[in-house]
Amino acid sequence: GAGVSQSPRYKVAKRGQDVALRCDPISGHVSLFWYQQALGQGPEFLTYFQNEAQLDKSGLPSDRFFAERPEGSVSTLKIQRTQQEDSAVYLCASSLVLVDRGQYNEQFFGPGTRLTVL
Amino acid sequence: GQQVMQIPQYQHVQEGEDFTTYCNSSTTLSNIQWYKQRPGGHPVFLIQLVKSGEVKKQKRLTFQFGEAKKNSSLHITATQTTDVGTYFCAGMEGYNFNKFYFGSGTKLNVKP
Repeated sequence: GAGVSQSPRYKVAKRGQDVALRCDPISGHVSLFWYQQALGQGPEFLTYFQNEAQLDKSGLPSDRFFAERPEGSVSTLKIQRTQQEDSAVYLCASSLVLVDRGQYNEQFFGPGTRLTVL
Repeated sequence: GQQVMQIPQYQHVQEGEDFTTYCNSSTTLSNIQWYKQRPGGHPVFLIQLVKSGEVKKQKRLTFQFGEAKKNSSLHITATQTTDVGTYFCAGMEGYNFNKFYFGSGTKLNVKP
């Protein structure tokens, strides 16, 4: 079946521009995560959705970052007034199960959007 | 705050040699996951460990979760060129299942 898809795959923005990154999770997956991955580093947590509810946004680096998942499916990560330090790969991941200790909650990652801010 | 450290950063081995990467957390984890990321690719789930002292095997890969649930390791026996990639651990604190802290990864290169 289809995996997690993200678009665009590559985005070049001029400093100060707004960008919107889209994530289509696997159908039926309750949990959705956004991560930021700098070159040579591990993914860094940005935010988490459980269906349409944004339960944790503690990883968003500034108020220029905003994420939404209005219908509990597709999610959009928006970055306003982009800065050079925003250049990174933005990964989206979805997970089927909700929450319970010990339950398997494998994250399925999308291919990522590589954002370059000039 | 929560930190997950991973060592070594790089490992170069000859095909057939063994490989181990270690993950250490500053706090107790509720569970830990391991992912593999091929060059140019995205992280792919390998395994999840939940119980203290848990050991799981997948063919040539052996995963361990420490007794104190603060450290974990991934050991590959007799590496192959297909093992090339970066291995990440991702730890979760508490049982909210909403925030994973990824290590910085160990990049494995296997020479044929």
